[in-house]
Amino acid sequence: NAGVTQTPKFRILKIGQSMTLQCTQDMNHNYMYWYRQDPGMGLKLIYYSVGAGITDKGEVPNGYNVSRSTTEDFPLRLELAAPSQTSVYFCASSYLGGGGYTFGSGTRLTVV
Amino acid sequence: GENVEQHPSTLSVQEGDSAVIKCTYSDSASNYFPWYKQELGKRPQLIIDIRSNVGEKKDQRIAVTLNKTAKHFSLHITETQPEDSAVYFCAASIQNDYKLSFGAGTTVTVRA
Repeated sequence: NAGVTQTPKFRILKIGQSMTLQCTQDMNHNYMYWYRQDPGMGLKLIYYSVGAGITDKGEVPNGYNVSRSTTEDFPLRLELAAPSQTSVYFCASSYLGGGGYTFGSGTRLTVV
Repeated sequence: GENVEQHPSTLSVQEGDSAVIKCTYSDSASNYFPWYKQELGKRPQLIIDIRSNVGEKKDQRIAVTLNKTAKHFSLHITETQPEDSAVYFCAASIQNDYKLSFGAGTTVTVRA
């Protein structure tokens, strides 16, 4: 099992550009999450999904969009990138909602 | 939503001593409390968790205690070793909710 796979690992974007962060899990988990991690701020929830076709906003959804067309994939879309979106992004999945997460290896995004 | 506060933000201990990290939560309906360890540049990994029907749980040198009345829980690391140096995050989830709320993290440094 690969677990949770995120791509890319690093990316530099210019202000106003768009990109999609990919997340795939092979554990047949229904629950998937996107968090961002800023220094000294812990992990903040951007969006989450309780199953294919169902998504919901977290604490900091502005500037992002998600989709969940399959159980395995949960991509995060950044439209019109801003410097405030410079962060490390983690995708996670869990078997039980709110239960122990398995995290991906993260994507370090810099917006300049 | 749930609000989790974590203290201290940094902790330096001598090798062999104990380390204690404390977290408080706001919602009495929270029933699941995991702890994650994140080494530098790596993904967070679950190290121990506890549910609200249990007061204490141990796994080798780490233990977690829960005080539901006071709404706080703690991570205890005994006989600390250099490989315990990392950032530790506490988290909580509300019953029938589907997501974790994280504390801001504690950077633990074990001095040789």
